[in-house]
Amino acid sequence: GESVGLHLPTLSVQEGDNSIINCAYSNSASDYFIWYKQESGKGPQFIIDIRSNMDKRQGQRVTVLLNKTVKHLSLQIAATQPGDSAVYFCAETLGGSNYKLTFGKGTLLTVNP
Amino acid sequence: DTAVSQTPKYLVTQMGNDKSIKCEQNLGHDTMYWYKQDSKKFLKIMFSYNNKELIINETVPNRFSPKSPDKAHLNLHINSLELGDSAVYFCASTKWESGTQYFGPGTRLLVL
Repeated sequence: GESVGLHLPTLSVQEGDNSIINCAYSNSASDYFIWYKQESGKGPQFIIDIRSNMDKRQGQRVTVLLNKTVKHLSLQIAATQPGDSAVYFCAETLGGSNYKLTFGKGTLLTVNP
Repeated sequence: DTAVSQTPKYLVTQMGNDKSIKCEQNLGHDTMYWYKQDSKKFLKIMFSYNNKELIINETVPNRFSPKSPDKAHLNLHINSLELGDSAVYFCASTKWESGTQYFGPGTRLLVL
């Protein structure tokens, strides 16, 4: 079946460094992608999204890149802070809406002071 | 001012019991979801309701029965609880076609 997966289950960075979290998706028909952040003991929190007609989208300190050719998604966090420590999930959906999200496995980001 | 709230936050119960968890959203959304997150943090959709109508029903044992009394509420009743039901259950909501699901804080269910 279709699935969304992550290359790296854990990522450890120094405070102030840039972080890159990767995600591979297998459903070439997916046209909407979202990154969520989940802090310990909390629910997933929306970070940034991108539609398949875009290659790049920037937010505050975060950038999402979409490479449809190799079905790859990445989340870049600039100047990583201790508060960025969390599990990050990518999610995909079809049809331009997110009525059914398929989540990836998650990457645990640890920021060392 | 909580956007998506769930009760209870923690639930510890014995095998074979029946329990319910509740979700409410005050965002004016029309679509609500239940997700299950296992011990490996894998998030999987279980059910979705749009305007009180069931639109997604994944392969979930029929011991799980969702109910949406109105657009702002989505409850989940679980019969004959099993050890494997232990997980964190998240509720989420969205405006249909809007693109962003907002999640609740989760209900941590432990079946002993």
